[in-house]
Amino acid sequence: DGGITQSPKYLFRKEGQNVTLSCEQNLNHDAMYWYRQDPGQGLRLIYYSQIVNDFQKGDIAEGYSVSREKKESFPLTVTSAQKNPTAFYLCASSRKGLAAYNEQFFGPGTRLTVL
Amino acid sequence: AQSVTQLDSHVSVSEGTPVLLRCNYSSSYSPSLFWYVQHPNKGLQLLLKYTSAATLVKGINGFEAEFKKSETSFHLTKPSAHMSDAAEYFCVVSALDGANNLFFGTGTRLTVIP
Repeated sequence: DGGITQSPKYLFRKEGQNVTLSCEQNLNHDAMYWYRQDPGQGLRLIYYSQIVNDFQKGDIAEGYSVSREKKESFPLTVTSAQKNPTAFYLCASSRKGLAAYNEQFFGPGTRLTVL
Repeated sequence: AQSVTQLDSHVSVSEGTPVLLRCNYSSSYSPSLFWYVQHPNKGLQLLLKYTSAATLVKGINGFEAEFKKSETSFHLTKPSAHMSDAAEYFCVVSALDGANNLFFGTGTRLTVIP
């Protein structure tokens, strides 16, 4: 059963703590993405990676970090430098190439709440 | 620059009546356009996409959209709404400019009244 998994579904963190969100895919996709979703707004791109060991900043990368050591995995760390981290985080993947042609497949999301 | 504008933040229809969700786009290049659906606390699922082939695109669950270059529009329609269609819908644009990013609209929440 192919797809993208994100864990955990709900995550609570205290202010000042770093937290890592997991994203795994078994679709054999080269490209992976992290988005942030806030109420009433569309998705905003945090980071993306088109190939293992390489990643690029998106529109709102400040306060976040990623790694891409394996093709299947693209974890996102929300650091204490992120001013307003409470949001719904979505991971996606696609085949390599132009986004115009390659559909992005989304995971079920992680809802992060900072207490 | 690429962007999309979803003209309605909320649309409410009765079950069995037509659905129209409006989207206008702006793009410096020939765009590809997508509609995604998101049910509460879930990820996004692709409904349909336009990539410069036929201007009338048919998607899943009876949805379709028509690309109108003269109007820079890509409205999503369905002849008859079902209760399960209640969700958030996102219009998305990607330009064929070598970048690998998508630009999301702010979403339209569809409510279906029994």
